[in-house]
Amino acid sequence: GAGVSQSPSNKVTEKGKDVELRCDPISGHTALYWYRQSLGQGLEFLIYFQGNSAPDKSGLPSDRFSAERTGGSVSTLTIQRTQQEDSAVYLCASSFGRNTEAFFGQGTRLTVV
Amino acid sequence: GENVEQHPSTLSVQEGDSAVIKCTYSDSASNYFPWYKQELGKGPQLIIDIRSNVGEKKDQRIAVTLNKTAKHFSLHITETQPEDSAVYFCAAIRGGSYIPTFGRGTSLIVHP
Repeated sequence: GAGVSQSPSNKVTEKGKDVELRCDPISGHTALYWYRQSLGQGLEFLIYFQGNSAPDKSGLPSDRFSAERTGGSVSTLTIQRTQQEDSAVYLCASSFGRNTEAFFGQGTRLTVV
Repeated sequence: GENVEQHPSTLSVQEGDSAVIKCTYSDSASNYFPWYKQELGKGPQLIIDIRSNVGEKKDQRIAVTLNKTAKHFSLHITETQPEDSAVYFCAAIRGGSYIPTFGRGTSLIVHP
Protein backbone atom coordinates (compact mmCIF):
# COMPACT_ATOMS: atom_id res chain seq x y z
CA GLY A 1 0.00 0.00 0.00
CA ALA A 2 0.93 3.65 0.05
CA GLY A 3 3.56 4.93 2.41
CA VAL A 4 3.36 7.92 4.73
CA SER A 5 2.18 10.95 2.79
CA GLN A 6 2.88 14.54 3.77
CA SER A 7 1.52 17.74 2.29
CA PRO A 8 2.50 20.21 1.13
CA SER A 9 6.00 19.14 0.12
CA ASN A 10 7.14 22.75 0.26
CA LYS A 11 5.68 25.75 2.03
CA VAL A 12 6.89 29.34 1.99
CA THR A 13 5.19 31.64 4.44
CA GLU A 14 5.63 35.12 5.78
CA LYS A 15 6.82 35.68 9.31
CA GLY A 16 3.85 35.91 11.67
CA LYS A 17 1.50 33.77 9.59
CA ASP A 18 0.06 30.46 10.73
CA VAL A 19 0.77 27.23 8.84
CA GLU A 20 -0.73 23.77 8.84
CA LEU A 21 1.20 20.69 7.81
CA ARG A 22 -0.61 17.45 7.06
CA CYS A 23 0.39 13.81 7.53
CA ASP A 24 -1.42 10.72 6.27
CA PRO A 25 0.09 7.70 8.03
CA ILE A 26 0.16 4.14 6.75
CA SER A 27 -3.23 2.50 7.23
CA GLY A 28 -3.34 0.44 10.40
CA HIS A 29 -0.40 2.15 12.08
CA THR A 30 -1.37 3.19 15.57
CA ALA A 31 1.69 5.31 16.36
CA LEU A 32 2.40 8.65 14.67
CA TYR A 33 5.40 10.92 15.21
CA TRP A 34 6.41 14.41 14.16
CA TYR A 35 10.09 15.34 13.96
CA ARG A 36 11.85 18.51 12.88
CA GLN A 37 15.07 18.52 10.88
CA SER A 38 16.94 21.79 10.63
CA LEU A 39 19.65 22.27 8.02
CA GLY A 40 22.55 19.94 8.79
CA GLN A 41 20.98 18.86 12.04
CA GLY A 42 19.57 15.62 13.36
CA LEU A 43 15.97 14.67 13.95
CA GLU A 44 14.35 16.64 16.75
CA PHE A 45 11.34 14.92 18.30
CA LEU A 46 8.23 17.11 18.50
CA ILE A 47 5.13 15.06 19.37
CA TYR A 48 3.90 11.47 19.46
CA PHE A 49 0.42 9.97 19.15
CA GLN A 50 -0.45 6.39 20.11
CA GLY A 51 -3.98 5.14 19.54
CA ASN A 52 -6.49 6.94 21.74
CA SER A 53 -3.96 7.83 24.43
CA ALA A 54 -3.07 11.40 25.28
CA PRO A 55 -0.25 12.57 22.98
CA ASP A 56 3.30 12.99 24.24
CA LYS A 57 3.93 16.69 23.61
CA SER A 58 7.24 16.85 25.44
CA GLY A 59 9.21 17.83 22.33
CA LEU A 60 7.16 20.83 21.22
CA PRO A 61 9.52 23.84 21.35
CA SER A 62 6.92 26.45 22.27
CA ASP A 63 3.19 26.98 22.69
CA ARG A 64 3.05 28.21 19.10
CA PHE A 65 3.28 24.56 18.07
CA SER A 66 0.34 22.19 18.33
CA ALA A 67 -0.82 19.00 16.67
CA GLU A 68 -3.89 16.88 16.48
CA ARG A 69 -4.74 13.49 15.11
CA THR A 70 -8.29 12.93 14.00
CA GLY A 71 -9.92 9.51 14.08
CA GLY A 72 -6.62 7.85 14.83
CA SER A 73 -5.42 8.55 11.31
CA VAL A 74 -4.59 11.90 9.69
CA SER A 75 -2.52 14.35 11.72
CA THR A 76 -2.07 18.09 11.38
CA LEU A 77 0.84 20.04 12.84
CA THR A 78 0.04 23.72 13.29
CA ILE A 79 2.58 26.46 13.83
CA GLN A 80 1.13 29.80 14.85
CA ARG A 81 2.82 33.17 14.32
CA THR A 82 5.72 31.59 12.44
CA GLN A 83 9.26 32.80 13.08
CA GLN A 84 12.32 32.48 10.87
CA GLU A 85 13.82 29.92 13.23
CA ASP A 86 10.85 27.65 12.44
CA SER A 87 12.31 27.12 8.96
CA ALA A 88 13.13 23.41 8.69
CA VAL A 89 11.95 20.13 7.22
CA TYR A 90 9.08 18.68 9.21
CA LEU A 91 8.97 14.89 9.05
CA CYS A 92 6.09 12.64 9.96
CA ALA A 93 6.46 8.93 10.67
CA SER A 94 4.14 6.12 11.63
CA SER A 95 4.59 2.63 13.04
CA PHE A 96 2.64 -0.33 14.35
CA GLY A 97 3.71 0.51 17.87
CA ARG A 98 6.37 -0.09 20.43
CA ASN A 99 9.89 -0.91 19.22
CA THR A 100 8.89 -1.40 15.61
CA GLU A 101 10.09 0.21 12.42
CA ALA A 102 9.04 3.81 11.93
CA PHE A 103 8.17 4.68 8.32
CA PHE A 104 8.85 8.28 7.38
CA GLY A 105 7.17 10.54 4.88
CA GLN A 106 9.18 12.68 2.50
CA GLY A 107 8.78 15.73 4.72
CA THR A 108 7.46 19.26 4.35
CA ARG A 109 10.12 21.90 3.80
CA LEU A 110 8.95 25.06 5.58
CA THR A 111 10.59 28.37 4.78
CA VAL A 112 9.63 31.44 6.80
CA VAL A 113 10.56 34.70 5.09
CA GLY B 1 16.06 11.01 28.95
CA GLU B 2 18.01 9.10 26.33
CA ASN B 3 20.98 10.77 24.65
CA VAL B 4 22.52 9.36 21.46
CA GLU B 5 25.92 10.50 20.22
CA GLN B 6 26.96 9.70 16.63
CA HIS B 7 30.39 9.93 15.00
CA PRO B 8 31.76 10.97 12.62
CA SER B 9 29.55 13.75 11.29
CA THR B 10 31.10 13.37 7.84
CA LEU B 11 32.79 10.33 6.31
CA SER B 12 34.46 10.29 2.91
CA VAL B 13 35.62 7.00 1.38
CA GLN B 14 36.67 5.60 -1.96
CA GLU B 15 34.38 3.20 -3.77
CA GLY B 16 35.07 -0.33 -2.58
CA ASP B 17 36.34 0.72 0.84
CA SER B 18 34.53 -0.02 4.08
CA ALA B 19 32.72 2.59 6.17
CA VAL B 20 32.04 2.48 9.89
CA ILE B 21 29.70 4.79 11.82
CA LYS B 22 29.60 4.65 15.61
CA CYS B 23 26.92 5.59 18.13
CA THR B 24 26.74 5.62 21.89
CA TYR B 25 23.65 5.80 24.04
CA SER B 26 23.09 6.77 27.64
CA ASP B 27 20.01 4.85 28.80
CA SER B 28 20.80 1.26 29.77
CA ALA B 29 17.09 0.45 29.38
CA SER B 30 17.26 1.04 25.62
CA ASN B 31 16.79 -2.23 23.76
CA TYR B 32 16.03 -1.45 20.11
CA PHE B 33 18.53 0.22 17.80
CA PRO B 34 17.48 1.03 14.22
CA TRP B 35 19.64 2.63 11.52
CA TYR B 36 18.13 4.91 8.89
CA LYS B 37 19.43 6.12 5.55
CA GLN B 38 18.27 9.48 4.24
CA GLU B 39 18.84 10.38 0.61
CA LEU B 40 18.62 13.96 -0.56
CA GLY B 41 15.07 15.28 -0.56
CA LYS B 42 13.62 12.12 0.96
CA GLY B 43 12.58 10.94 4.38
CA PRO B 44 14.76 8.52 6.36
CA GLN B 45 14.36 4.85 5.54
CA LEU B 46 15.19 1.92 7.80
CA ILE B 47 18.13 -0.12 6.51
CA ILE B 48 18.87 -2.42 9.44
CA ASP B 49 18.05 -2.75 13.11
CA ILE B 50 19.24 -4.73 16.09
CA ARG B 51 17.66 -5.68 19.38
CA SER B 52 19.48 -5.99 22.65
CA ASN B 53 19.33 -9.78 22.76
CA VAL B 54 21.87 -10.11 19.90
CA GLY B 55 25.34 -8.73 19.39
CA GLU B 56 25.54 -8.61 15.61
CA LYS B 57 23.26 -8.64 12.58
CA LYS B 58 24.15 -8.72 8.89
CA ASP B 59 22.26 -8.00 5.71
CA GLN B 60 24.36 -8.34 2.58
CA ARG B 61 26.90 -5.48 2.64
CA ILE B 62 25.68 -3.90 5.85
CA ALA B 63 26.06 -5.08 9.42
CA VAL B 64 25.38 -3.68 12.85
CA THR B 65 27.14 -4.59 16.09
CA LEU B 66 25.95 -3.88 19.60
CA ASN B 67 27.93 -3.76 22.83
CA LYS B 68 25.42 -3.40 25.66
CA THR B 69 28.06 -3.23 28.36
CA ALA B 70 29.75 -0.26 26.71
CA LYS B 71 26.44 1.13 25.43
CA HIS B 72 27.60 1.56 21.88
CA PHE B 73 26.58 0.23 18.51
CA SER B 74 28.07 0.56 15.05
CA LEU B 75 27.07 0.37 11.40
CA HIS B 76 29.48 -1.29 8.99
CA ILE B 77 29.16 -0.97 5.23
CA THR B 78 31.52 -3.06 3.12
CA GLU B 79 32.38 -2.64 -0.55
CA THR B 80 30.88 0.82 -0.61
CA GLN B 81 29.25 2.08 -3.79
CA PRO B 82 28.41 5.62 -4.91
CA GLU B 83 24.72 4.92 -4.27
CA ASP B 84 25.57 4.42 -0.60
CA SER B 85 26.19 8.17 -0.41
CA ALA B 86 23.56 9.58 1.97
CA VAL B 87 23.04 10.71 5.54
CA TYR B 88 22.84 7.87 8.04
CA PHE B 89 21.10 8.15 11.41
CA CYS B 90 21.31 5.82 14.36
CA ALA B 91 18.57 5.70 16.96
CA ALA B 92 17.84 4.12 20.31
CA ILE B 93 14.52 3.26 21.87
CA ARG B 94 14.00 2.56 25.54
CA GLY B 95 12.15 -0.61 26.41
CA GLY B 96 8.48 0.21 26.83
CA SER B 97 8.82 3.50 24.97
CA TYR B 98 7.61 4.31 21.49
CA ILE B 99 9.84 7.27 20.77
CA PRO B 100 13.17 6.84 18.96
CA THR B 101 15.98 9.18 19.99
CA PHE B 102 18.17 9.90 16.98
CA GLY B 103 21.84 10.72 16.62
CA ARG B 104 22.81 13.84 14.69
CA GLY B 105 23.57 11.93 11.52
CA THR B 106 26.63 11.03 9.43
CA SER B 107 27.02 12.29 5.90
CA LEU B 108 28.67 9.45 3.95
CA ILE B 109 30.29 10.34 0.65
CA VAL B 110 31.52 7.52 -1.58
CA HIS B 111 33.85 8.70 -4.32
CA PRO B 112 33.84 6.70 -7.58
